[in-house]
Amino acid sequence: GDSVTQMEGPVTLSEEAFLTINCTYTATGYPSLFWYVQYPGEGLQLLLKATKADDKGSNKGFEATYRKETTSFHLEKGSVQVSDSAVYFCALIAGGGSNYKLTFGKGTLLTVNP
Amino acid sequence: EAGVVQSPRYKIIEKKQPVAFWCNPISGHNTLYWYLQNLGQGPELLIRYENEEAVDDSQLPKDRFSAERLKGVDSTLKIQPAELGDSAVYLCASSSGLAGAGETQYFGPGTRLLVL
Repeated sequence: GDSVTQMEGPVTLSEEAFLTINCTYTATGYPSLFWYVQYPGEGLQLLLKATKADDKGSNKGFEATYRKETTSFHLEKGSVQVSDSAVYFCALIAGGGSNYKLTFGKGTLLTVNP
Repeated sequence: EAGVVQSPRYKIIEKKQPVAFWCNPISGHNTLYWYLQNLGQGPELLIRYENEEAVDDSQLPKDRFSAERLKGVDSTLKIQPAELGDSAVYLCASSSGLAGAGETQYFGPGTRLLVL
C-alpha cells in the first residue's frame, strides 16, 4: 500500500542553521506530495506541495523537490528561525482520478534554539 | 475567512461512555474529512464526505464509530461506547471539492480525547 517514511526526530538546531528533513514514499501511480506543519496548539497547515515529477514546492523559505527517480520529497530551509519550531509531516495523495486520501508520515519534531 | 472549526477542543470521559465531536468546515467547501491522529503518528483518514454523502468510510470502525453530515455542511463524529484505545486527536479537514484529486485539505485544530 501507499506509505511515507520520514526522518525520525526530534531535530534540534540553532537559529540560522540549515535544515533538511528527509522524506521518501511508496505509492501507486504518480502521487501528489505535501509538507504540512503543526505549530504547538494549532491544527495542521499546508506548507508546500508538488504535483508532478521535478516540481519544486516553496513557501516561507522552505523548499522541496519532487524526485521521482529516488521517490523522495526532502524538506529544506537555508536558515531556520525560532518560529519554525513545530512538527513537520510529509504526506502524499496517490495517483488516480478519484483519490483524495492523504497518507502521512509519522512527523518530525523540530526545535530551533536562539 | 474563517478556518475549519472544531469543538470541543478537549474531552475527558470514562470508558464505555459516548462522545461526540463537531466540525464546521470552511464556507463553500463541499468535501469534509475526519482523521484520527494517535500520539507520535501522522493522521489517518476515517471518513470522507462529498456534500452529505459518505463516499469513503472504509477506515471507519463501524461497530462503535458513526458520522453524519446532515445538509452537507456541519458534521458530527460519534463514538459509542468509547474504549481506552480511542484516546487520540480527532481532526476535521475540508476542501473545495472542485480541484480534483490532490487538492489542498485545510485542517481544524482537532479535538483531543482522553478516555479513562
